Amino acid sequence: KAGVTQTPRYLIKTRGQQVTLSCSPISGHRSVSWYQQTPGQGLQFLFEYFSETQRNKGNFPGRFSGRQFSNSRSEMNVSTLELGDSALYLCASRQGLTYEQYFGPGTRLTVT
Amino acid sequence: QKEVEQNSGPLSVPEGAIASLNCTYSDRVSQSFFWYRQYSGKSPELIMSIYSNGDKEDGRFTAQLNKASQYVSLLIRDSQPSDSATYLCAVNKNSGGYQKVTFGTGTKLQVIP
Repeated sequence: KAGVTQTPRYLIKTRGQQVTLSCSPISGHRSVSWYQQTPGQGLQFLFEYFSETQRNKGNFPGRFSGRQFSNSRSEMNVSTLELGDSALYLCASRQGLTYEQYFGPGTRLTVT
Repeated sequence: QKEVEQNSGPLSVPEGAIASLNCTYSDRVSQSFFWYRQYSGKSPELIMSIYSNGDKEDGRFTAQLNKASQYVSLLIRDSQPSDSATYLCAVNKNSGGYQKVTFGTGTKLQVIP
């Protein structure tokens, strides 16, 4: 089976812009979670989608949003980018029966 | 108190030795526990999951869970330089009707040839 894919792999944006990241889960996996990883904070949970519904949300401002499509692909959007949004954004998928998550390669976002 | 705590390291062990990585968690109702390996510049890779007290072995890896003491550990036998990476502990629990996974900040392991 193909693994989790994320696009784009690298992005450079300027403050105030918005960005959309995409994630395609492993075939058959209905849950997609998004994480932000920075050297100082580690892996921080953003939100989880299951069957197109947001199931859980972390402590991030409303500038961070997401959605999931009927084919389980997910997108994450960050509006009004700030310098502190520079991070590795990871998406992880799971089947839904357990919490064993499989991560994609991530999108490295740099905000200048 | 952090929900999931790990010593950041680095933990240095000689090649062939046993590496012992530890993780403590704060919430007794935590249900499932995971170890991920993350190489520098790469994404986390699931290496072990454990759900009940005791030991679980998979090749050179052994996960140990003690719910009474609220800790989970990962032993790596016959450590190899290729095991040098950051190891993340993750804990899952039901929170407000939803499942929540919390990651520790990771322990950096260095295996010295």
